[in-house]
Amino acid sequence: AQSVTQLGSHVSVSEGALVLLRCNYSSSVPPYLFWYVQYPNQGLQLLLKYTTGATLVKGINGFEAEFKKSETSFHLTKPSAHMSDAAEYFCAVSLTYGGATNKLIFGTGTLLAVQP
Amino acid sequence: EAGVTQFPSHSVIEKGQTVTLRCDPISGHDNLYWYRRVMGKEIKFLLHFVKESKQDESGMPNNRFLAERTGGTYSTLKVQPAELEDSGVYFCASSQTASWGDQAKNIQYFGAGTRLSVL
Repeated sequence: AQSVTQLGSHVSVSEGALVLLRCNYSSSVPPYLFWYVQYPNQGLQLLLKYTTGATLVKGINGFEAEFKKSETSFHLTKPSAHMSDAAEYFCAVSLTYGGATNKLIFGTGTLLAVQP
Repeated sequence: EAGVTQFPSHSVIEKGQTVTLRCDPISGHDNLYWYRRVMGKEIKFLLHFVKESKQDESGMPNNRFLAERTGGTYSTLKVQPAELEDSGVYFCASSQTASWGDQAKNIQYFGAGTRLSVL
């Protein structure tokens, strides 16, 4: 069975500091991996995704994540936090068969606070 | 292009009442998904439509939940009768049908959710 673990339900960083949100997954087959962000009173927005190919994936708003198969990890990073990055971040995994998108399995989410 | 829209944004009902949530997917998206997040827990899959057919309903909690997608366009999720534990945020997502090598289509786009409070 597939599962996703996000370490740290709350993370607080100072503005300008490195952001590191951790995600580990469990999957019996090569997974597709996603990071979504939810800003207050908005829906989930895709930050970035890994399907195949390059393991370092760049997303919107300066975020990137690296797929490490040996560590079953897909941590999200941003070199310099901005106040507008304050939101809840979700890591998710899906299985894709025959090209059709399958259901997403989410982690419990990490609430990122950015201090001035 | 309009995104995934959900209605209502918030619903407060009493235990035993009926509530119907609606989701309008992005035009042309054959895949429609329902998810739910109970407070403090992860977002969990409920079911998946391909056009009007239920592809996977393994996440539906019990038979008090009924999802429909008549005509393969918008979808409704009815809870009848509602219980206290049904409270949470219900998300809808849609995606295109992708073929191998067209991974850009393997993205689910989410609505803002419906916050359901059962008192």
